[in-house]
Amino acid sequence: QSVLTQPPSMSGAPGQRVTISCSGGSSNLGSNSVNWYQQLPGTAPKLIIYNNDQRPSGVPDRFSGSKSGTSASLAISGLQSEDAADYYCAAWDDRPYAHVKFGGGTKLTVL
Amino acid sequence: LQLHESGPGLVKPSETLSLNCTVSRGYLATSAFYWGWIRQSPGKGLEWIGGMYHSGKIYYNPSLKSRIAISADRSKDQFSLGLTSVTTADTAVYYCATAPGGGSDFQFWGQGTLVTVSS
Repeated sequence: QSVLTQPPSMSGAPGQRVTISCSGGSSNLGSNSVNWYQQLPGTAPKLIIYNNDQRPSGVPDRFSGSKSGTSASLAISGLQSEDAADYYCAAWDDRPYAHVKFGGGTKLTVL
Repeated sequence: LQLHESGPGLVKPSETLSLNCTVSRGYLATSAFYWGWIRQSPGKGLEWIGGMYHSGKIYYNPSLKSRIAISADRSKDQFSLGLTSVTTADTAVYYCATAPGGGSDFQFWGQGTLVTVSS
């Protein structure tokens, strides 16, 4: 069971805005930054947000991230069909010792 | 920067899974990136296995720690994963990846290699 909790699935119509949540605790999101990944079927994950709210070069500004306390969010505005994918949050966790945790993933469907 | 996983696609139960990740020339020897292994069981989510810093400091997934070995051969531009006493639960696509920021920001990934544990 992942200690970073995401909704298993979400959906939205083209053009809409969706927000995917990632809930953690004091040992992970409460003290470390969060990163977000997009994974299309059959491909390796792609980093789309790092250090809570930074976008790597080439990632559209439709994708934005935020973190507050022990919770984080990934927002996708102007939803497009190609945004249909699995999305994962990830962060270091300090207990019982430093290790990386991934959220369980959210499957986004574009209606 | 490119990464490429290699190793057997089929491993018998109780044996050791061994994978190599070949990195673009020179990066392992000179960069301060964090180099990691991540896996994904069929139809499941991502699971971090472990990784190492350029300094040689290694971190392991607590749930797999007793079975994992990670090492690097900078002269060959490779870092490696060993997972002992495998079971069918270790069947997964195994990815190597690197985080330029040194954290969980894995920006560069290999294409992944499927390892099946079966007799």
